[in-house]
Amino acid sequence: KAGVTQTPRYLIKTRGQQVTLSCSPISGHRSVSWYQQTPGQGLQFLFEYFSETQRNKGNFPGRFSGRQFSNSRSEMNVSTLELGDSALYLCASSRGGGQPQHFGDGTRLSIL
Amino acid sequence: DQQVKQNSPSLSVQEGRISILNCDYTNSMFDYFLWYKKYPAEGPTFLISISSIKDKNEDGRFTVFLNKSAKHLSLHIVPSQPGDSAVYFCAASLPSGNTGKLIFGQGTTLQVKP
Repeated sequence: KAGVTQTPRYLIKTRGQQVTLSCSPISGHRSVSWYQQTPGQGLQFLFEYFSETQRNKGNFPGRFSGRQFSNSRSEMNVSTLELGDSALYLCASSRGGGQPQHFGDGTRLSIL
Repeated sequence: DQQVKQNSPSLSVQEGRISILNCDYTNSMFDYFLWYKKYPAEGPTFLISISSIKDKNEDGRFTVFLNKSAKHLSLHIVPSQPGDSAVYFCAASLPSGNTGKLIFGQGTTLQVKP
């Protein structure tokens, strides 16, 4: 069974640029959540999409945005990149309704 | 305000023995708890979960215990194997409509020695 697929795995950008990360959920999963993992802050929730609608949002600035398509695939965008945005970005999918989330292997974003 | 805490950054146990990983939470509204295991360069892997209406859930070598009055949960691994060496995260979520938002602890690195 195919798991959650995130692309690209690694990305290097410079300050001020923008970036788009992609996530393909497990087939049949309609909920997609995004998390940021850094050594200092740990795993922090960014936002969740369910049936193309943002259902939950974490405490991140408006530079972080996302969307979900009709096939449940999701993208996350970060504009005006800052050095502090260097992190592992993880996507997780679930069927919703209290079912566990399953994670992809993440996109490692480095800002120079 | 860290609502989910794993106070032990690391734990070392001998192969075959029991590993006990602990997690405390502050928000009494949490109603669903999960444990994940993470290897380097991989995403977290779901291990086991428990609803707040239960106090124990078992799956093979893994058992999660929930003590709501103490706002504490623990993961028991019996017997521990070297392949269990990884970072373990506990996570919690709020009731319906918020289950897509997990609040994670900082993680505990488990080392199982052969």
